[in-house]
Amino acid sequence: GDSVTQMEGPVTLSEEAFLTINCTYTATGYPSLFWYVQYPGEGLQLLLKATKADDKGSNKGFEATYRKETTSFHLEKGSVQVSDSAVYFCALSDQGTGNQFYFGTGTSLTVIP
Amino acid sequence: GAVVSQHPSRVICKSGTSVKIECRSLDFQATTMFWYRQFPKQSLMLMATSNEGSKATYEQGVEKDKFLINHASLTLSTLTVTSAHPEDSSFYICSARNSYGYTFGSGTRLTVV
Repeated sequence: GDSVTQMEGPVTLSEEAFLTINCTYTATGYPSLFWYVQYPGEGLQLLLKATKADDKGSNKGFEATYRKETTSFHLEKGSVQVSDSAVYFCALSDQGTGNQFYFGTGTSLTVIP
Repeated sequence: GAVVSQHPSRVICKSGTSVKIECRSLDFQATTMFWYRQFPKQSLMLMATSNEGSKATYEQGVEKDKFLINHASLTLSTLTVTSAHPEDSSFYICSARNSYGYTFGSGTRLTVV
């Protein structure tokens, strides 16, 4: 079945450090891939997405490339800020399974000044 | 566009009572809504798929008599946690599919004391 494996946290970085959160997936069809962010006390917000292989999603300095050959969708940001502290979820949605979402376990990021 | 409103955002209830959580699509019609549950430090797990005008589809292991779902209109789905117990304390979040993709509500933090 479909699944998402996400790098475990928590991750603690200093401000302006480079961020990578690894995400790999297993899917029966051709999924769309997503990164969601959950700020403290809030719900999920879509951060970025990619709907087909080699697409790059980007938003707020974050980016992730849909790599079909490695079944990966790693999240990166060149210079993190304190305001990026949140929990990040990798997810996929597969038409073959009725577009149900499958989420990774989430990675907690804390950025310290 | 594509806003999902979820209420309440936080609720504290006594053990044995029931709690209703509402999920509304404000500017679109949602024939299908999804209910997720998030345990501390874990990912979102799909509980059930709510279909307008018909019975909800529950994921394996989810008690349908405990988590009652009603989707009586194209803009409203409700989740009622019946006879709540402390182990039901969790973060519940809904989502709805629309032409932009999937939009999530802001979530409900349920605490059963």
